[in-house]
Amino acid sequence: SQQGEEDPQALSIQEGENATMNCSYKTSINNLQWYRQNSGRGLVHLILIRSNEREKHSGRLRVTLDTSKKSSSLLITASRAADTASYFCATVLQGGSNYKLTFGKGTLLTVNP
Amino acid sequence: EAGVAQSPRYKIIEKRQSVAFWCNPISGHATLYWYQQILGQGPKLLIQFQNNGVVDDSQLPKDRFSAERLKGVDSTLKIQPAKLEDSAVYLCASSFTSGGSYEQYFGPGTRLTVT
Repeated sequence: SQQGEEDPQALSIQEGENATMNCSYKTSINNLQWYRQNSGRGLVHLILIRSNEREKHSGRLRVTLDTSKKSSSLLITASRAADTASYFCATVLQGGSNYKLTFGKGTLLTVNP
Repeated sequence: EAGVAQSPRYKIIEKRQSVAFWCNPISGHATLYWYQQILGQGPKLLIQFQNNGVVDDSQLPKDRFSAERLKGVDSTLKIQPAKLEDSAVYLCASSFTSGGSYEQYFGPGTRLTVT
């Protein structure tokens, strides 16, 4: 079963706008990661946030984590056409011995030029 | 730094046939993963190796899927016999350590179509 569930399933915006994607999960986590997948570069790691962190930034990306609500959000600012891709959240469960990544179904982001 | 290599990139077979996929991880990465990604879904972990030992194969359909990682480097994933529902992209990934703090690097995947 998939641990994370992204919302919305699909998002279409204009270039220059901000895009926000949300992820909810069910059980306690060690960390949460966001990945991007497009046909050109495959699946690529974007950012990792640990369970004791609340917010992280990386370039135009901002990730928040609310462990009390078991949710995370990914904000992409000043979007570009090249940001068009599927975005997945993936969780690593707390206490697991092998740090297995469990992916959600993803959000398909389309940035129109 | 060379990335994770996979071959073939595409494969079309008939049901009940067998197929094998190959993966070469990033040099020095001890942990290797095989994922199955069905269209419209996120990747699902099939098997995880630490060096040449299996760490997790709880979601591997062992009646038809097998995987090995000889010498702790390259890995092969085999399906025998294939079913229609095995149509998917098979992704190989590697990481420096099995610790969850380290990102996984993914290969381009093999798109399998079973007819």
